[in-house]
Amino acid sequence: QQPVQSPQAVILREGEDAVINCSSSKALYSVHWYRQKHGEAPVFLMILLKGGEQKGHEKISASFNEKKQQSSLYLTASQLSYSGTYFCGTARGGGSNYKLTFGKGTLLTVNP
Amino acid sequence: KAGVTQTPRYLIKTRGQQVTLSCSPISGHRSVSWYQQTPGQGLQFLFEYFSETQRNKGNFPGRFSGRQFSNSRSEMNVSTLELGDSALYLCASSPTGRGTGELFFGEGSRLTVL
Repeated sequence: QQPVQSPQAVILREGEDAVINCSSSKALYSVHWYRQKHGEAPVFLMILLKGGEQKGHEKISASFNEKKQQSSLYLTASQLSYSGTYFCGTARGGGSNYKLTFGKGTLLTVNP
Repeated sequence: KAGVTQTPRYLIKTRGQQVTLSCSPISGHRSVSWYQQTPGQGLQFLFEYFSETQRNKGNFPGRFSGRQFSNSRSEMNVSTLELGDSALYLCASSPTGRGTGELFFGEGSRLTVL
């Protein structure tokens, strides 16, 4: 089942913060975050395994609340290079049963 | 290290035709996944292959099929094309496909069905 992302789109000025949410109605094994710039391939940002750990990648971090089946991606002091579409992918199991299901994406635009 | 290579990058077909898309994963990666990307629907999982075996399949009709060769290269085929099949088809590879690491995506094959 496809996870639900919110908001669908967000416009920021350089230096502002943003939060992108991802929720599922099913218990999750892992949550993955990718960013896709226009005309390019999606690029991996980070993965969070069940356990509620928080990970960071420069000024981008994420959390995973496995009880609520929710994950949030935090973009701090946004840069122009952060513009793109952010996808969360969720997996209900690992190992050979692993299947990554992506949300519809959140379009992030960072303006000068 | 070469990335994931997909061919062709662009193609135009007419309804009723069939199409075959190719994906060469990163050397050493044994798992190849395919996704369909359309505006408003995000990335939709088609299927995943590991060591020439289909391990998982998404909710697509039987017109969509795939296979993986012994060198891990993969192909997907769509028969009896419909207008709604117009999309960007993305291939992604990973070493084991067990969900604990990143997927490496190719730039995709953009299919237009007229």
